[in-house]
Amino acid sequence: DIQMTQSPSSLSASVGDRVTITCRASQSISSYLNWYQQKPGKAPKLLIYAASSLQSGVPSRFSGSGSGTDFTLTISSLQPEDFATYYCQQSYSTLYSFGQGTKLEIK
Amino acid sequence: EVQLVESGGGLVQPGRSLRLSCAASGFTFDDYAMHWVRQAPGKGLEWVSGISWNSGSTGYADSVKGRFTISRDNAKNSLYLQMNSLRAEDTALYYCARTMPLYSSSSAFDYWGQGTLVTVSS
Repeated sequence: DIQMTQSPSSLSASVGDRVTITCRASQSISSYLNWYQQKPGKAPKLLIYAASSLQSGVPSRFSGSGSGTDFTLTISSLQPEDFATYYCQQSYSTLYSFGQGTKLEIK
Repeated sequence: EVQLVESGGGLVQPGRSLRLSCAASGFTFDDYAMHWVRQAPGKGLEWVSGISWNSGSTGYADSVKGRFTISRDNAKNSLYLQMNSLRAEDTALYYCARTMPLYSSSSAFDYWGQGTLVTVSS
């Protein structure tokens, strides 16, 4: 099975900051990497698919990059509504797996 | 508007069974693979099971293999999860989720329901 590891597990930042979250796969997954945002009490929301493609309706301050085993999600200028938990997910294997999550908190 | 509405959750004793349902609307259900994802209280997301558009292919997480069965009824626009031999560690909010369209070349999950809570306890 493919293991997904995110870092950091939590992060404090301020509005306007540039933030980067990292996701590492235990084996190469090409570009089959997706990012989700989850707010408390809500279902996850797809932000980025195929490592770098922005889902329709998602603000352009979100971007993704990487291939193989190392990936990043970047938020260029944090907005108040971006404070949430972020998950990466691999879709290379049909035994889909998620990272453990990164909680982004207000500093 | 795409809608996924889960139902069937509740309190169940260890070792017993439960069947979850997910009613889909707003899209052509039999064009899409579907999945179940769960989230234990205060924990992260865990993929549970998935099924292809025509039920020809299914997959399960190791943690539920042999105990859970995913199925779908395209005529009823519905997805199901039969959960047997339930354990305390199966306690979670269970989401159904849709895979992106085939033309996207991605199998990310683009729509999610609001979840149904399963509590396994004596």
